[in-house]
Amino acid sequence: DAKTTQPTSMDCAEGRAANLPCNHSTISGNEYVYWYRQIHSQGPQYIIHGLKNNETNEMASLIITEDRKSSTLILPHATLRDTAVYYCIVRLLNTGGFKTIFGAGTRLFVKA
Amino acid sequence: SQTIHQWPATLVQPVGSPLSLECTVEGTSNPNLYWYRQAAGRGLQLLFYSVGIGQISSEVPQNLSASRPQDRQFILSSKKLLLSDSGFYLCAWSVLRGVGEQYFGPGTRLTVT
Repeated sequence: DAKTTQPTSMDCAEGRAANLPCNHSTISGNEYVYWYRQIHSQGPQYIIHGLKNNETNEMASLIITEDRKSSTLILPHATLRDTAVYYCIVRLLNTGGFKTIFGAGTRLFVKA
Repeated sequence: SQTIHQWPATLVQPVGSPLSLECTVEGTSNPNLYWYRQAAGRGLQLLFYSVGIGQISSEVPQNLSASRPQDRQFILSSKKLLLSDSGFYLCAWSVLRGVGEQYFGPGTRLTVT
């Protein structure tokens, strides 16, 4: 699976959009981009995934560049409860979750 | 809806003692099951995964073992704990076929003293 690079930490003001970047320059054509988050002392929570088109759900939006070498997770109106570690992962769809490698992620601090 | 249970929530065990952590999933059949460990301040390390009863794959060599005696039950064990086994243990499941997103349990925080 392709390796990802994320900033160690980011701050965001409550109510503003949080934009979390991820670089995956070695992604292959059939690898998907997944995002999870982990609130302190809890298990990770699936957020969203995509292949090449932008995706949106009730939690977030995922913007993938045309060359697929990077992506951005957008939390449109961050709240204090969005403070968490956000993991960007790339892997094949049909592995069914096998070999999902969680890196260090980005620690997002949402401040009042 | 699907639910994943893990117990106990916290555990303090002396070095050399045995370990048994249990994970059960409700509301789905034939899930893929996973055990992860997270050391303090670190990312998640995949320990074991299973695609069916009695089928276990190990990702890293260690003194831990896993078993799947029933379709929706996954057990993590050790005969003799080491200090380095301390951490946050997470069980997860995913559907056998599909987009492969994983759903995690609440975790067990293990401290080996």
